[in-house]
Amino acid sequence: QVQLVESGGGLVKPGGSLRLSCAASGFTFSDYYMTWIRQAPGKGLEWVSYIHSRGAPTYYADSVKGRFTISRDNAKNTLYLQMNSLRAEDTAVYYCARDDGWHFGYWGQGTLVTVSS
Amino acid sequence: QSALTQPRSVSGSPGQSVTISCTGTSSDVGAYNYVSWHQQHPGKAPELLIYDVTKRPSGVPDRFSGSKSGNTASLTISGLQVEDEADYYCCSYAGTYTPWVFGGGTKVTVL
Repeated sequence: QVQLVESGGGLVKPGGSLRLSCAASGFTFSDYYMTWIRQAPGKGLEWVSYIHSRGAPTYYADSVKGRFTISRDNAKNTLYLQMNSLRAEDTAVYYCARDDGWHFGYWGQGTLVTVSS
Repeated sequence: QSALTQPRSVSGSPGQSVTISCTGTSSDVGAYNYVSWHQQHPGKAPELLIYDVTKRPSGVPDRFSGSKSGNTASLTISGLQVEDEADYYCCSYAGTYTPWVFGGGTKVTVL
């Protein structure tokens, strides 16, 4: 069955960096576009970034453009999100999700990123 | 891209029907038939409920239905059940460079 497992979250100081990973299994990872979506505590969902099946092109929300980088390793069935220059407003649960054709058919369980001094 | 507009909360008694609206613009909801709905129980990840405005993934009860008129999409839950108490988010494709926009979420309470 399809599984998406995020990791790499934690507590980081403002201005710091963190790399999130999303390990995929149960499907041919290289066939699918993938997305990162986040949810601040007590808030709604926000689309963050998107990557085509072969690694390019990539797209970013204005709120993270220039600070976050999405990438993937199809040989390792893994999606990544490199987050630099982190701000307090980046505090959220980060989900990876599979794009099943204009919708997100499968989500991971999420990983919490807390940006605080 | 601004978030889609949803009511903050709706409620109903078991067996009743409730409808959640999701209002966007002619650049997102009105432009594409790629509206989806996700259900999120407390502390859990969202799950796909409806996609392409009206389609249900396998395993989703037919009590859940979607529709769209102009710039507004709607999710209807018929025969409300206790386990339907959750947050519901709409999502629409919005074009190449900012592909997706979400609604702010609606909390459904079963009285």
